[in-house]
Amino acid sequence: NAGVTQTPKFRVLKTGQSMTLLCAQDMNHEYMYWYRQDPGMGLRLIHYSVGEGTTAKGEVPDGYNVSRLKKQNFLLGLESAAPSQTSVYFCASSYSLGLAGGEEQYFGPGTRLTVT
Amino acid sequence: TQLLEQSPQFLSIQEGENLTVYCNSSSVFSSLQWYRQEPGEGPVLLVTVVTGGEVKKLKRLTFQFGDARKDSSLHITAAQPGDTGLYLCAGESGGYQKVTFGTGTKLQVIP
Repeated sequence: NAGVTQTPKFRVLKTGQSMTLLCAQDMNHEYMYWYRQDPGMGLRLIHYSVGEGTTAKGEVPDGYNVSRLKKQNFLLGLESAAPSQTSVYFCASSYSLGLAGGEEQYFGPGTRLTVT
Repeated sequence: TQLLEQSPQFLSIQEGENLTVYCNSSSVFSSLQWYRQEPGEGPVLLVTVVTGGEVKKLKRLTFQFGDARKDSSLHITAAQPGDTGLYLCAGESGGYQKVTFGTGTKLQVIP
């Protein structure tokens, strides 16, 4: 039982290059999320998914696209990377949506992305 | 965008000391969570509070949700080096797309 895994762990891109970050979970969770974490900004939600084949925009979706073709995988794409997208990216999954029920989000270890 | 301000931003204390971390907002939250994040890892949930004035204890950690549900505090008694990490609060208001994470408090406990 690996929980939530992310690949790659580190990546350096040049401005304008594209890449895809892969998130996989083995807990059969319906809900998956992509966040970015920047110093002094906390975690900000980029996109999320409430089930296979569905995605929705979060707080900072511009410049990113996502896909959830399989329940266990959630992909985050950067079509044309910009220096402002330098950040640490975290994927998370949960059994249900929302915090009120004490629902825990399980986070992956993160991907550190630098765009030069 | 709702803001969750955490204070202090950094805290370095000696083992055995007590400390309190604050999470404040001008917005009302229906629920609030606290997470701890260690270097190179993702955040891990510590607790969820949902009722104004609620107090929850987790061993040496005491969490309180403000009466007006706009703020929260985390108190650690007799801090240990294993408490070192980044503490994040997260508040929900108006559905999941309205979850806001705080700016974080980086705690270092020196042996």
